[in-house]
Amino acid sequence: NAGVTQTPKFQVLKTGQSMTLQCAQDMNHNSMYWYRQDPGMGLRLIYYSASEGTTDKGEVPNGYNVSRLNKREFSLRLESAAPSQTSVYFCASSELRPGPPSGIYFGEGSWLTVV
Amino acid sequence: KNEVEQSPQNLTAQEGEFITINCSYSVGISALHWLQQHPGGGIVSLFMLSSGKKKHGRLIATINIQEKHSSLHITASHPRDSAVYICAVSQGGSEKLVFGKGMKLTVNP
Repeated sequence: NAGVTQTPKFQVLKTGQSMTLQCAQDMNHNSMYWYRQDPGMGLRLIYYSASEGTTDKGEVPNGYNVSRLNKREFSLRLESAAPSQTSVYFCASSELRPGPPSGIYFGEGSWLTVV
Repeated sequence: KNEVEQSPQNLTAQEGEFITINCSYSVGISALHWLQQHPGGGIVSLFMLSSGKKKHGRLIATINIQEKHSSLHITASHPRDSAVYICAVSQGGSEKLVFGKGMKLTVNP
């Protein structure tokens, strides 16, 4: 089925540990995103990739790195996790030009707790 | 001031009521999105529109480009419509989205 797949769904990290969130889409979309969602804050953009090989910082990039490995995959890395990075992370992809599958599609979310 | 404002922030309705959720934005846009998020769940795109009106089942989305305003209407509301509804806009030639903070809808049986 077409969609966005992100892993892991749940993760508990100790402060200072590193981890990578993986994301893949099979809709041939050019644009991919990583967001975090915190209570009362709405969705905030961490990093954005307009196409393979390009990435741009979003609203809250500090403490994160990304890699657009190919058109399908866009990973998010926490090099040294901090409690402030406890959040729900969403990967998304989009195609805003006319024709299916246009629109924005989200992964199911990754619940990350840093202790 | 947030570039995308949603009102109301919370809404409680009775099953069967007609519901309107509003979204105002202050920037030029290429498209506006309405998204739905159930508690503890993922985010689903309901509509993407750049003009006029779209309908899907009991949901209707309208946009007025001149007034920089969009509405999402739910007819014959049902408890399963209880969710957070998020408005987002994409600006100009970019596909980066700017999000509203969402509106929490509760529909009681």
